[in-house]
Amino acid sequence: GESVGLHLPTLSVQEGDNSIINCAYSNSASDYFIWYKQESGKGPQFIIDIRSNMDKRQGQRVTVLLNKTVKHLSLQIAATQPGDSAVYFCAGNTGNQFYFGTGTSLTVIP
Amino acid sequence: DAMVIQNPRYQVTQFGKPVTLSCSQTLNHNVMYWYQQKSSQAPKLLFHYYDKDFNNEADTPDNFQSRRPNTSFCFLDIRSPGLGDAAMYLCATSRGYQDSYEQYFGPGTRLTVT
Repeated sequence: GESVGLHLPTLSVQEGDNSIINCAYSNSASDYFIWYKQESGKGPQFIIDIRSNMDKRQGQRVTVLLNKTVKHLSLQIAATQPGDSAVYFCAGNTGNQFYFGTGTSLTVIP
Repeated sequence: DAMVIQNPRYQVTQFGKPVTLSCSQTLNHNVMYWYQQKSSQAPKLLFHYYDKDFNNEADTPDNFQSRRPNTSFCFLDIRSPGLGDAAMYLCATSRGYQDSYEQYFGPGTRLTVT
């Protein structure tokens, strides 16, 4: 089956530092990727997306980088805040469906 | 304002007793999805509707069924819940495919099977 997987299951960062969360995907035909944030007891929340014709996209405090050569994408969070503590998932499309990666739990240390 | 609503938020059912989870949306989106998420795992797509067209994932057990009587509502029916079906069930919507991939998730229904 398709897989979109994350390198690290947990990440702890100091408040104010930058966070980098990585994701690898296997389907070279995937042309659209989304990063989601999921807080405890809530549904996933859209953060940022990127299409395969781009290699970088910036949002507010977040940047997604896509490297199609090695089938890797990352989420960078600038000046990480306690409210950023959550599980982060990447998801990639296969046709009309999306498949989620295993998730990285980000903990921000005050 | 709630856009994707799931009821109930918590559901307890007995082993083998049919249960129905509900999802409604105020976004008028064409696509509605059901995901199963077990503890510390990623959401797993069960099936989705594009309008009235039902699309089942190949590995979704027959025990799981879905109904979409109109644009706003979608139901997940578990015919004979087993202990392994205990999970968070997430409903999501999107405008469509291609340029409308962004999915909006509901808060989920946590199902406990006793």
